[in-house]
Amino acid sequence: EAGVAQSPRYKIIEKRQSVAFWCNPISGHATLYWYQQILGQGPKLLIQFQNNGVVDDSQLPKDRFSAERLKGVDSTLKIQPAKLEDSAVYLCASSTRWADSTDTQYFGPGTRLTVL
Amino acid sequence: ILNVEQSPQSLHVQEGDSTNFTCSFPSSNFYALHWYRWETAKSPEALFVMTLNGDEKKKGRISATLNTKEGYSYLYIKGSQPEDSATYLCAFRRIGGKLIFGQGTELSVKP
Repeated sequence: EAGVAQSPRYKIIEKRQSVAFWCNPISGHATLYWYQQILGQGPKLLIQFQNNGVVDDSQLPKDRFSAERLKGVDSTLKIQPAKLEDSAVYLCASSTRWADSTDTQYFGPGTRLTVL
Repeated sequence: ILNVEQSPQSLHVQEGDSTNFTCSFPSSNFYALHWYRWETAKSPEALFVMTLNGDEKKKGRISATLNTKEGYSYLYIKGSQPEDSATYLCAFRRIGGKLIFGQGTELSVKP
């Protein structure tokens, strides 16, 4: 079974530029998550999709971050414009039964973003 | 604000040593506690999901225990090997809530 795919793996941009990350979840996983992991901290949930609907985006900085999952499969996370503090690893994860206590999230390798 | 704390932040051991880490979390409205292993340049890998007070899980040389009443979980590695070098993350989930991750324990095992 193929895992969660993410691209690119690394990205370096200047502040105020735009950037987009792509994620393809495990086939059949209805729930998709985007996390931000800043150095020295644990991953923080930015947005959770159930199929193509948003379940939780309470920690997404909506003035600069946007995400979509138009066909309920792959997803794109965009930052526009980027700030220095957006430097982090952006992780995508997927799962099958998010309401179940034993639901396990499967993660991709992440995109390491550096904003100069 | 929910706080999930892990200790120690980093650990350096010799090959063959046994080691353990702690994850502390709020004891109210507990739903699940997850452990992940994250090796450099790889995807975080799920180790255990624990839901019942007193749960004990084991996978090879790695095991975990759970105390939901006092709000902690221990992860044990018996006979550490260099390939165990990674960051170990725990994540707490409240009923109806999302995963809240600790900051991780970085383990380095020297041959």
